[in-house]
Amino acid sequence: QQKVQQSPESLTVSEGAMASLNCTFSDGTSDNFRWYRQHSGKGLEMLVSIFSDGEKEEGRFTAHLNRASLHVSLHIREPQPSDSAVYLCAVSEGYAQGLTFGLGTRVSVFP
Amino acid sequence: ETAVFQTPNYHVTQVGNEVSFNCKQTLGHDTMYWYKQDSKKLLKIMFSYNNKQLIVNETVPRRFSPQSSDKAHLNLRIKSVEPEDSAVYLCASSLGQGDYAEQFFGPGTRLTVL
Repeated sequence: QQKVQQSPESLTVSEGAMASLNCTFSDGTSDNFRWYRQHSGKGLEMLVSIFSDGEKEEGRFTAHLNRASLHVSLHIREPQPSDSAVYLCAVSEGYAQGLTFGLGTRVSVFP
Repeated sequence: ETAVFQTPNYHVTQVGNEVSFNCKQTLGHDTMYWYKQDSKKLLKIMFSYNNKQLIVNETVPRRFSPQSSDKAHLNLRIKSVEPEDSAVYLCASSLGQGDYAEQFFGPGTRLTVL
């Protein structure tokens, strides 16, 4: 079964600085990789979904996928205090199999 | 804007009791899921349902059972709860079941078993 690991566990950044999060997975045959975030006490909000190697941008969020390195990253451009949340990496396990999540990176953005 | 609704928000109960959590989606999706988020914040898939048919059961204990009256509702029943069942239970829905189907999540139900 897919194993998903995220780093760092927590990240503190200043408002306006770039934030970079990492995610490694164990099985490169998965077709779909996603980044979600979860504000305290809230549900999950999907930020970006990426299917092929390279880069995908959704607003201030950019995901980079390198399947050969079993690595997907998330970059947050010009983070704001409202971006403070736990960011979760998820890998699709296939048709109707649901998602496998990492433990998350807690991001804190200070003015 | 919330489109996947879960009730209750919180529930505290004692070992051995039965509990039931509700989930409703207003997105017109045809597939719904239940995930468990444990104390370490790890999210794991429990069930997915499509057209009233169970698609995936990730070897969860038999005291857990999903219940669906129509494609917009998927409830979760736990018979005789145990301390390790304390967690946040998240419901999600998607249109279709493929790899690329975006899942929309509800806010979760936090269960505490005393």
